[in-house]
Amino acid sequence: QQQVKQSPQSLIVQKGGIPIINCAYENTAFDYFPWYQQFPGKGPALLIAIRPDVSEKKEGRFTISFNKSAKQFSLHIMDSQPGDSATYFCAASKGGGGSNYKLTFGKGTLLTVNP
Amino acid sequence: NAGVTQTPKFQVLKTGQSMTLQCAQDMNHNSMYWYRQDPGMGLRLIYYSASEGTTDKGEVPNGYNVSRLNKREFSLRLESAAPSQTSVYFCASSVGAGGAPTDTQYFGPGTRLTVL
Repeated sequence: QQQVKQSPQSLIVQKGGIPIINCAYENTAFDYFPWYQQFPGKGPALLIAIRPDVSEKKEGRFTISFNKSAKQFSLHIMDSQPGDSATYFCAASKGGGGSNYKLTFGKGTLLTVNP
Repeated sequence: NAGVTQTPKFQVLKTGQSMTLQCAQDMNHNSMYWYRQDPGMGLRLIYYSASEGTTDKGEVPNGYNVSRLNKREFSLRLESAAPSQTSVYFCASSVGAGGAPTDTQYFGPGTRLTVL
């Protein structure tokens, strides 16, 4: 059972474009939604994250939009640059203490930003 | 700080061979994790250790064992490698053990394993 569905699988945009990556979740107990960025040959690194008590969070050129009723969240990259070319993973976890902070990842989106 | 380190970086095994992947973190984190990453499959949790002395199965534990040697180190063992275990393996750590659900996981650089 895939608990976090991510789309699209790959995305190509021109420099300056606004790529949008979407994720949908099923488990209403999830209460933390991070996005991780992974460059080739490297491990993933946290990019930005949101809790369900807000509908939008912005950090620099990266914005998460969150729709609790639809159980969906998305990543927008403003003024995208070739250096943003990477694989992006959405994830979700639920609170409760101890071992319940496991992350469930989407399958990833390979973003290519052409010069 | 080195963060999360993994050894080896690359490994080729023959079917049936065994090996141990090593992971260490120097951030005084309580929780550690092992993931595998396969094309089109994202990151799947193999095992995790919420705190020193405890380990639990993740989504895909079959064929693997783990040892939380101490607070810093968490190893992953393949007892009898199979071609289906060809993958990139990532270790991660987080503050954990009562920390907030907003706990960030910090990943190592990965081990590329090929099983022939």
